[in-house]
Amino acid sequence: GAVVSQHPSRVICKSGTSVKIECRSLDFQATTMFWYRQFPKQSLMLMATSNEGSKATYEQGVEKDKFLINHASLTLSTLTVTSAHPEDSSFYICSAPEGGAWFFGPGTRLTVL
Amino acid sequence: AQSVTQLGSHVSVSEGALVLLRCNYSSSVPPYLFWYVQYPNQGLQLLLKYTSAATLVKGINDFEAEFKKSETSFHLTKPSAHMSDAAEYFCAVSGQGAQKLVFGQGTRLTINP
Repeated sequence: GAVVSQHPSRVICKSGTSVKIECRSLDFQATTMFWYRQFPKQSLMLMATSNEGSKATYEQGVEKDKFLINHASLTLSTLTVTSAHPEDSSFYICSAPEGGAWFFGPGTRLTVL
Repeated sequence: AQSVTQLGSHVSVSEGALVLLRCNYSSSVPPYLFWYVQYPNQGLQLLLKYTSAATLVKGINDFEAEFKKSETSFHLTKPSAHMSDAAEYFCAVSGQGAQKLVFGQGTRLTINP
């Protein structure tokens, strides 16, 4: 299957700093990528749809100014958590569709102190 | 609108026993249906998918699922559980095309020796 990578896998930061998470499709091009958030022992909640060359589409209740998404190329989408706070601590996962299925990155564990 | 309900947040079976994880969906359009597995602190791995072809879908590691339109179900089964099957399982639904994936709540599968 297709491969999606994420970087970093784990990040710890101080409250008030910004954190950038990268999502790459390694062996296919993705005009659309999806960003999810997962709290411990819970399901994945879609945050936003990242569209190459245009603005991201955010789900209801997700602050677009806090979670900045940039889809700069057909293989890269970035999620920047701006002015992170402890309540932003979570597992962030990206995915991209290919061949009728969605492939997921390994996730990024964000801990905000 | 689409939604998924997974019956049973936690399922426990003995090693060698049948695994049955239940999933019911709701969709206003012909659905694409998926089962994913997640191991701790990892991303999601695709087990199998239904995209309007054969209703009985075979996946990796001897898992299979049957699409039953009349019951709006897509239950996951495996004839004989292995210890390595212990993980979180997610059922998901999408419409055709690169539309967003909607996840169920997840079912934690525990295998007893």
